Amino acid sequence: QVQLVQSGAEVKKPGASVKVSCKASGYTFTTYGFSWVRQAPGQGLEWMGWINTYNGNTNHAQKLQGRLTMTTDTSTSTAYMELRSLRSDDTAVYYCARQNGWYAPGDYWGQGTLVTVSS
Amino acid sequence: EIVLTQSPGTLSLSPGERASLSCRASHSVSSSYLAWYQQKPGQAPRLLIYDTFSRATGIPDRFSGSGSGTDFTLTITRLEPEDFAVYYCHQYGSSPLTFGGGTKVEI
Repeated sequence: QVQLVQSGAEVKKPGASVKVSCKASGYTFTTYGFSWVRQAPGQGLEWMGWINTYNGNTNHAQKLQGRLTMTTDTSTSTAYMELRSLRSDDTAVYYCARQNGWYAPGDYWGQGTLVTVSS
Repeated sequence: EIVLTQSPGTLSLSPGERASLSCRASHSVSSSYLAWYQQKPGQAPRLLIYDTFSRATGIPDRFSGSGSGTDFTLTITRLEPEDFAVYYCHQYGSSPLTFGGGTKVEI
């Protein structure tokens, strides 16, 4: 069965970076892309970006351009999201979501990773 | 950017009742690439409906989606106790992908 297992919670200081992993199993990794979506406490869902696991192409939300890097390691079937220059308003639960191509919704989601940015 | 506006913000209903949730887009959603998610506290979103009408794997037929262009609806014909949650619409037809603000269905 399809599983996406994310790394554990992180606490970071403002200005630091965080890297969240999403390990996939139960399917052929390179046949699906990933979106990263975040949710601030008590708020709605915000799309951050998408990565094509086959060729590494990415598409970012404009507001995160320059701070967000998405990568994959096909040898371990793991997707990564790195966010730099963290601010307090980056405090959120971060999700990876599998997508069957760009024009597709996230059908399986990781359990979420809480990132807390606090001095 | 396509802005998705969901209404109402909160829907107070009883088990067995019918729920209709609205999602209005600021621009036409390309090729009806509109999905609905259910989210319960402390859980990841769960895909219910994609491509406006299609139910995701394992989703009961009391959930249905309709609409086109800029107006979309999620209908739950007979609310079960486990259906009380927050529902989000989501368009994936143009970048940036966007989500609505959510509708909370409460008892």
